[in-house]
Amino acid sequence: SQQGEEDPQALSIQEGENATMNCSYKTSINNLQWYRQNSGRGLVHLILIRSNEREKHSGRLRVTLDTSKKSSSLLITASRAADTASYFCATDEETSGSRLTFGEGTQLTVNP
Amino acid sequence: GAGVSQSPRYKVAKRGQDVALRCDPISGHVSLFWYQQALGQGPEFLTYFQNEAQLDKSGLPSDRFFAERPEGSVSTLKIQRTQQEDSAVYLCASSLLQNTEAFFGQGTRLTVV
Repeated sequence: SQQGEEDPQALSIQEGENATMNCSYKTSINNLQWYRQNSGRGLVHLILIRSNEREKHSGRLRVTLDTSKKSSSLLITASRAADTASYFCATDEETSGSRLTFGEGTQLTVNP
Repeated sequence: GAGVSQSPRYKVAKRGQDVALRCDPISGHVSLFWYQQALGQGPEFLTYFQNEAQLDKSGLPSDRFFAERPEGSVSTLKIQRTQQEDSAVYLCASSLLQNTEAFFGQGTRLTVV
């Protein structure tokens, strides 16, 4: 079953703009991971944020985590057409070993 | 190898046929996972191995699905008597340790006709 819910389901922006995607979840977690998936391809790991962390950066990516609200956000700054993809959050729940529970994803389209 | 490798990339099976999907994890990775992804959906967990031990198979949808990792490295997901509803992309992932980053293969797209 899906735990995470991404918001929005779809997002269309112009190159150079920032894109923000949100993820909400229901249970206590060890960590939360964000992935990118291009059409018909595998999942690419973007960033992992642990439950005791509040913010993490990697290049043009910024991830925040609010465990009190059970939510996370992914910000992509200065977007490029190559960022067009589906973005998924996945939670590593405290009670489910190492398995990841994915949301349904946000489809991001960056127009040149 | 440099990443998780899955084969075949595409498989077309006739309904009722048995299929075997292979996953080569990143060398040295202890944890291995199988996920099923339907079109337009997020991946759904099938099963998890730590070395050769299958610690969680709660996501396998029926007893037609079977996974093994006999030497703690390569894993095979077998689906017996395939049905149309088994059509999906099957993703394999590995991680170095428990609760660390999971790296995914390109997946096997299974189409049952």
